Amino acid sequence: TQLLEQSPQFLSIQEGENLTVYCNSSSVFSSLQWYRQEPGEGPVLLVTVVTGGEVKKLKRLTFQFGDARKDSSLHITAAQPGDTGLYLCAGGRGGADGLTFGKGTHLIIQP
Amino acid sequence: SQTIHQWPATLVQPVGSPLSLECTVEGTSNPNLYWYRQAAGRGLQLLFYSVGIGQISSEVPQNLSASRPQDRQFILSSKKLLLSDSGFYLCAWRDYNSPLHFGNGTRLTVT
Repeated sequence: TQLLEQSPQFLSIQEGENLTVYCNSSSVFSSLQWYRQEPGEGPVLLVTVVTGGEVKKLKRLTFQFGDARKDSSLHITAAQPGDTGLYLCAGGRGGADGLTFGKGTHLIIQP
Repeated sequence: SQTIHQWPATLVQPVGSPLSLECTVEGTSNPNLYWYRQAAGRGLQLLFYSVGIGQISSEVPQNLSASRPQDRQFILSSKKLLLSDSGFYLCAWRDYNSPLHFGNGTRLTVT
């Protein structure tokens, strides 16, 4: 059972455009992380959100945690080719048993 | 600062051969340690996690095993590899309630 659904699965846009990717679940999480992964490398943490309704900004990236702590979104403004990668969301429940990951959104920004 | 090392980066093994992947963490004590497998289109699947020396929890039945002989060392093994064991294996660590930090992964191809 896939507990975290990410959409879209693939997205290819032109440099300078804006985009939003989504992470949805029927389960409540105590925290949610977003990671970015490049081919042949491990995921790198971008942000952690823990409070329902929380919004965090990282330069041109804006992350939002849903009020009910079941969903999240990542918005990128004026996308650049360096934003290309696999974006993964992961939910935690506060225990030691790791995170539950979505399948990811493959993002390609064309120059 | 903390660092995580994972090796080898790439491995090609015949079916039926043994496997040993190693992961070490520096700069922290008593971390939680994790082994994930990433297959195309299936996201990251948690295989094993450990909260201390000699303590291993398995998330899914499989052909693999894990061991933690030292505080900051985590080993993934198999006695006889199957074709279905091919994938990208990621080691990760975290302190209690902190985000996961990943190594750079091992690309395993079973032929």
